[in-house]
This record gives sequence, structure tokens and C-alpha cells, in this order.
Amino acid sequence: DTAVSQTPKYLVTQMGNDKSIKCEQNLGHDTMYWYKQDSKKFLKIMFSYNNKELIINETVPNRFSPKSPDKAHLNLHINSLELGDSAVYFCASSPNSYEQYFGPGTRLTVT
Amino acid sequence: AQSVTQPDIHITVSEGASLELRCNYSYGATPYLFWYVQSPGQGLQLLLKYFSGDTLVQGIKGFEAEFKRSQSSFNLRKPSVHWSDAAEYFCAVGRGDYKLSFGAGTTVTVRA
Repeated sequence: DTAVSQTPKYLVTQMGNDKSIKCEQNLGHDTMYWYKQDSKKFLKIMFSYNNKELIINETVPNRFSPKSPDKAHLNLHINSLELGDSAVYFCASSPNSYEQYFGPGTRLTVT
Repeated sequence: AQSVTQPDIHITVSEGASLELRCNYSYGATPYLFWYVQSPGQGLQLLLKYFSGDTLVQGIKGFEAEFKRSQSSFNLRKPSVHWSDAAEYFCAVGRGDYKLSFGAGTTVTVRA
């Protein structure tokens, strides 16, 4: 059983399109996150939800909108995609306020 | 603000040889410390963690790490590497506020 899963694994799309990435965790954790990993492998936190409440909202363009329908799911919707949005996006979940468990990632390529 | 430094960008090691990856952090109090491994095309897997207590912690895949408060370090070690250990390794530091700060990563190449 996959603990933190993401769909899709790969996403290729054109500039200007709108796309969503979905994340689900079956660990019973209260907190979920979205990270962006750039081409240099640097990991940057974007958002975090705790029990469906937004608790971290880093400096991210408002074209990015997270949604948490319940505490096991956290989706990321991106409007008007730009070339610079190309990256690997990781979802993570946490049972507390420090350790985190990551999903397999979604490689987004914007052409 | 806390920061995490991994001084080695890339390390090449022979199969069967020992491996040590360095991690230094800056933070006023004792942080929560983690090492993650990212194999090519994969997500990040938690290797080990340190919260308190014994400063030498054991993790999965034969890895261990030692917390040294005086040096603000949390170095990762493995006595004998396998070809499957070739990956990117990330040190991360948290302070209990839901945020982790990650180092830039160290790429490990294993030669036969």
C-alpha cells in the first residue's frame, strides 16, 4: 500500500493551460504539504494544511491554489501555467509538526 | 532563521567503501534533524531522524547519523556502500513549527 500517492506522475502541458495535481495519504496524518523541487534539486515548501485548515502559505504566485477536501487529500490547482512552473511537485504528510513523509512526485513540464 | 548546509555537492565512493555525508545547521535550540534519500526519479524517503536522547541514531538501509551539538552537525554514515545507494541525500532541520529547512543535497555516485 502506497502511503502518500500522487497523480499524475508526469504532466506535460502548454503555457496558459490550467492543471491539477492530486495527493492522497492513507497514514491518518493531520497535516499535508506541497513542495516544489527545481532543476537544481532545491526543495521549497509551498503550502501546508492541518485538518483542512491552511497553516503555511509561502510566497507563491496566486495562480497556485491548494484545496483540501478532507484531511487525507490535498490537491494543487495551477492556473495559466508558465514555463517557470516546470518542476517536480511533491506532496508530503506529517503526524506531527516536524517529521514528514513524501509522495513519489509529479513531474510537470510546461512547453 | 534556521539554515542547513551540506558542504559536499557530489561524492564518489567505491562499492564496499565507507560513506560519510556532512550536514551543518544553524539554529538556536536543539532542532529536529532528518536525513532523506531520493533515488533517481523517486520521491524522498526518510532514512533516519533525531529528536532527543542518544546522539547516535540508526536508520534504514544500514545508515546511521550522529548529532554533535558542539559542532551543530548531523553527519550521515554507512560502513559499506552498495551500488543501490547511489542517490541524492538531503539533510533537513525542523523546529516544530511544521516547516522543514532542507539542505541543497549531496549527490552520491557509487563506482564498481
